[in-house]
Amino acid sequence: GQNIDQPTEMTATEGAIVQINCTYQTSGFNGLFWYQQHAGEAPTFLSYNVLDGLEEKGRFSSFLSRSKGYSYLLLKELQMKDSASYLCAALDSNYQLIWGAGTKLIIKP
Amino acid sequence: SQTIHQWPATLVQPVGSPLSLECTVEGTSNPNLYWYRQAAGRGLQLLFYSVGIGQISSEVPQNLSASRPQDRQFILSSKKLLLSDSGFYLCAWSEQENYGYTFGSGTRLTVV
Repeated sequence: GQNIDQPTEMTATEGAIVQINCTYQTSGFNGLFWYQQHAGEAPTFLSYNVLDGLEEKGRFSSFLSRSKGYSYLLLKELQMKDSASYLCAALDSNYQLIWGAGTKLIIKP
Repeated sequence: SQTIHQWPATLVQPVGSPLSLECTVEGTSNPNLYWYRQAAGRGLQLLFYSVGIGQISSEVPQNLSASRPQDRQFILSSKKLLLSDSGFYLCAWSEQENYGYTFGSGTRLTVV
């Protein structure tokens, strides 16, 4: 079956760095997405990785290892507004998105 | 630029009543359109997707149906709502499958 695993909840301190991991098992693979979702709001696109390596976008970076079925989202210089759920989603061979349940990130002052 | 509109934002409906949620996309043509449901604290569940007018694929058997009467309009319906239909409904579009999805603002449905 197809499956995405990511931690349910993480806590970090304002100004620090946090890494949210995601492992995936899909029928084929056409890329991995990270989305941010604030409570009560719709998800918003953060990143897309299809090749191995690190993609950096400001304070956020996303890493992919296709051979390991593994990705992480790295958030630097955490701000209170980064408190949200972070959703990992993999695109399978049929170009269907398989979603993880999300990681709730709590930022403490 | 492309925009996606979804309404209403919140809805409280009695069990057994009908449902119609509408989603429209502007600024693009022939988008892929999606309806998702998100239960509290849970992941996104794909309900329906459409790659063109009148083309609807259903991912899970359920009490809901979808229609795409126009290129940029996607409607989620039910003839008789169940308590289990409560949730956060999200419409989304993408230009191609490996492009990022853009979500509408969502509809929080409570069936009472």
